[in-house]
Amino acid sequence: KNQVEQSPQSLIILEGKNCTLQCNYTVSPFSNLRWYKQDTGRGPVSLTIMTFSENTKSNGRYTATLDADTKQSSLHITASQLSDSASYICVVSPYGGSQGNLIFGKGTKLSVKP
Amino acid sequence: NAGVTQTPKFQVLKTGQSMTLQCAQDMNHNSMYWYRQDPGMGLRLIYYSASEGTTDKGEVPNGYNVSRLNKREFSLRLESAAPSQTSVYFCASSSSGGSSSYEQYFGPGTRLTVT
Repeated sequence: KNQVEQSPQSLIILEGKNCTLQCNYTVSPFSNLRWYKQDTGRGPVSLTIMTFSENTKSNGRYTATLDADTKQSSLHITASQLSDSASYICVVSPYGGSQGNLIFGKGTKLSVKP
Repeated sequence: NAGVTQTPKFQVLKTGQSMTLQCAQDMNHNSMYWYRQDPGMGLRLIYYSASEGTTDKGEVPNGYNVSRLNKREFSLRLESAAPSQTSVYFCASSSSGGSSSYEQYFGPGTRLTVT
């Protein structure tokens, strides 16, 4: 069964610190892997999208990496800010599947404290 | 450019009542989606519409119906609401074809409580 597992479930860090969120998936083959940020009470917003052939993608202080061999992805946040407090969702699209076949992780809830 | 808009933002229903959730996008996207999000679970697809005039079931379609009214609008109807349908509902849209289709844009959500 295609699954996306994220860890940790929740994380608390101090403002200015770095952190790394993990995503393990069993979807194979896959087309692309996405990371979304979801602020409390809002809809998800895309941070990065990587195809199966890409290893890394950056968006400002957010850097996503992808290891297709081990089926792992990580999202690294540098110099965290209070506004980074949100849930981060990993999403995998199976190869050949439509947009209606996305596999969503349950998310990691990040809290950045002053 | 409003992106994806949803109405209402909040709704409380009694068991057995019906309602329609509205969604509209102004990005000229072909594809639109309805998801539900429950605590401790990932987003789950209810229905989607790959293009105007077509709709397909997602992972959890039971108890829901949809209408793709035109290219801009995609509505979700609960005919007889049940407490199990208490959730946050998100509408999303995307273009079709090529890598640009990877990007899904989400609305702000509708928080529905069924008592």
